Amino acid sequence: GAGVSQSPRYKVAKRGQDVALRCDPISGHVSLFWYQQALGQGPEFLTYFQNEAQLDKSGLPSDRFFAERPEGSVSTLKIQRTQQEDSAVYLCASSLRQGAGNTIYFGEGSWLTVV
Amino acid sequence: QQQVKQSPQSLIVQKGGISIINCAYENTAFDYFPWYQQFPGKGPALLIAIRPDVSEKKEGRFTISFNKSAKQFSLHIMDSQPGDSATYFCAANENWGKFQFGAGTQVVVTP
Repeated sequence: GAGVSQSPRYKVAKRGQDVALRCDPISGHVSLFWYQQALGQGPEFLTYFQNEAQLDKSGLPSDRFFAERPEGSVSTLKIQRTQQEDSAVYLCASSLRQGAGNTIYFGEGSWLTVV
Repeated sequence: QQQVKQSPQSLIVQKGGISIINCAYENTAFDYFPWYQQFPGKGPALLIAIRPDVSEKKEGRFTISFNKSAKQFSLHIMDSQPGDSATYFCAANENWGKFQFGAGTQVVVTP
């Protein structure tokens, strides 16, 4: 596709439910990022992949959060036993190569509401 | 602890006016400073970016001014247009594209 594609766009989960959020990066992009954006705030880093290797997961808020990119393209962010504080927009981003100078393209996000 | 502090939280500017947004940081290891524009319901989109060895960068109506010694940088939007109404985020690169974002500035351009 032309851009970073995320699904679902909107998800309402009951507290305690597991959710999976999917990201299709731009074809050929090596680097993939997940960010969390609370309402009215800037995005906060969750995790980073270079191809299939997860090089940094320091931003994942708890062990309920898990991300994978098994074949170096599509990535899934999984949240187990969702809590109300998990309600946020989850943004996926990708870039062609590693390194900050390479433009990072964001998807439109997956809006998660935990009730 | 927010590593990049952004101000103001919001601003209103008349069409044709200048919008100025400021950011400050502490970590001298940051090596790349992008600005992102975000419209409601959309992801952030790169607007303009600068490296710390440059004091100013201009692209069309958008200019970044960078003061390395003060650890501050700012975005100037010249000749502001209603289509510029959006939320703007400054960011700083910590490592290979892992950004620390500011809290955002909501800009409203009135006709």
